[in-house]
Amino acid sequence: DVKVTQSSRYLVKRTGEKVFLECVQDMDHENMFWYRQDPGLGLRLIYFSYDVKMKEKGDIPEGYSVSREKKERFSLILESASTNQTSMYLCASKPDNFYGYTFGSGTRLTVV
Amino acid sequence: RKEVEQDPGPFNVPEGATVAFNCTYSNSASQSFFWYRQDCRKEPKLLMSVYSSGNEDGRFTAQLNRASQYISLLIRDSKLSDSATYLCVVKMRPTTSGTYKYIFGTGTRLKVLA
Repeated sequence: DVKVTQSSRYLVKRTGEKVFLECVQDMDHENMFWYRQDPGLGLRLIYFSYDVKMKEKGDIPEGYSVSREKKERFSLILESASTNQTSMYLCASKPDNFYGYTFGSGTRLTVV
Repeated sequence: RKEVEQDPGPFNVPEGATVAFNCTYSNSASQSFFWYRQDCRKEPKLLMSVYSSGNEDGRFTAQLNRASQYISLLIRDSKLSDSATYLCVVKMRPTTSGTYKYIFGTGTRLKVLA
């Protein structure tokens, strides 16, 4: 089974801190994604990457950046955490030749 | 108007009932459609894709109506274990880089009652 692993299940950070969320997939998928999920708003795409060192903005990239130095790892960075970034963050990967996403189990981030 | 819209529910149905949800999309150029299932506090998991001709997987049937721009999911003989949130996903035309975007609906919550 494809596995997408997110480094933390729960995280509490202070306003203004720089936050790193790590995601690793073990099936050589080309595409990786970061979403946040909020009640009533569903999943919203923050950034995605279709190849190493490539990235593309999603619908809500403000306040975030990403890094993909290796194919298996896609990191989401909150440059200066704010309370409105409190959310569930979901990483996903997908191969080029298949439509289905595989999601990680999520990181619930609270910014206080 | 949202690109993908779903009734949030909850749909409360007794065990054994048949239940159906719809999902409407606004972009007529949308290319592909999918249903995902998300259990409480878990990640979404692919349930099935939706083909133009409709498709069935056991108790689950997915259909596409391009003229009216909606997809549907029908669950027959509901089980307690079907209780979850069902997300519809629409694959949009490529971005300027040539990559595809997938838009998730906010989900419809189903509760199957004993």
